[in-house]
Amino acid sequence: GQQVMQIPQYQHVQEGEDFTTYCNSSTTLSNIQWYKQRPGGHPVFLIQLVKSGEVKKQKRLTFQFGEAKKNSSLHITATQTTDVGTYFCAGHDYKLSFGAGTTVTVRA
Amino acid sequence: DTAVSQTPKYLVTQMGNDKSIKCEQNLGHDTMYWYKQDSKKFLKIMFSYNNKELIINETVPNRFSPKSPDKAHLNLHINSLELGDSAVYFCASSQYKQGGKLFFGSGTQLSVL
Repeated sequence: GQQVMQIPQYQHVQEGEDFTTYCNSSTTLSNIQWYKQRPGGHPVFLIQLVKSGEVKKQKRLTFQFGEAKKNSSLHITATQTTDVGTYFCAGHDYKLSFGAGTTVTVRA
Repeated sequence: DTAVSQTPKYLVTQMGNDKSIKCEQNLGHDTMYWYKQDSKKFLKIMFSYNNKELIINETVPNRFSPKSPDKAHLNLHINSLELGDSAVYFCASSQYKQGGKLFFGSGTQLSVL
């Protein structure tokens, strides 16, 4: 069955630094979605990527979808304390499968 | 107005009890879901209903029974609660098309003592 792997599980970042979280699927995806869950909150949709090689930006966040549509990445520049939370990728073939998430903490 | 609302927010109960969690969405979506999030934050789909029809039924104990009286409601009943059922349960909804984005409820923290 479809598996979505996400690394790293934890990311401790100095405020102002950049980091990247990676997502890999065992199968080719029709699309990939990214969600953010703040501590104590619920997952909130960030973005969806559909096309091979697609790149989308939201302010300091850059999302990429691999050429083979089996991997994706989220890059955050100049990390701020508001970026704290867990970032999930979710790959869609016949159903949506979530990665294990990357939990981000920020050192001021 | 809350788009996806679920109740209760917290549920503390003894082993062996039966409990229900209710979910309602006012987004006009035709698909609703139950997800379980464990202590390691892993999100696992349990059930999905499209237009009141069960379309996803993952490997979940028979003690868990979903019920969708209409497109806007999806409830989850759990019989004979066990310690391992302690988790956060999220309801979500989407418009059914390949890749429809999910809108999550605020979650129900279930603690079985």
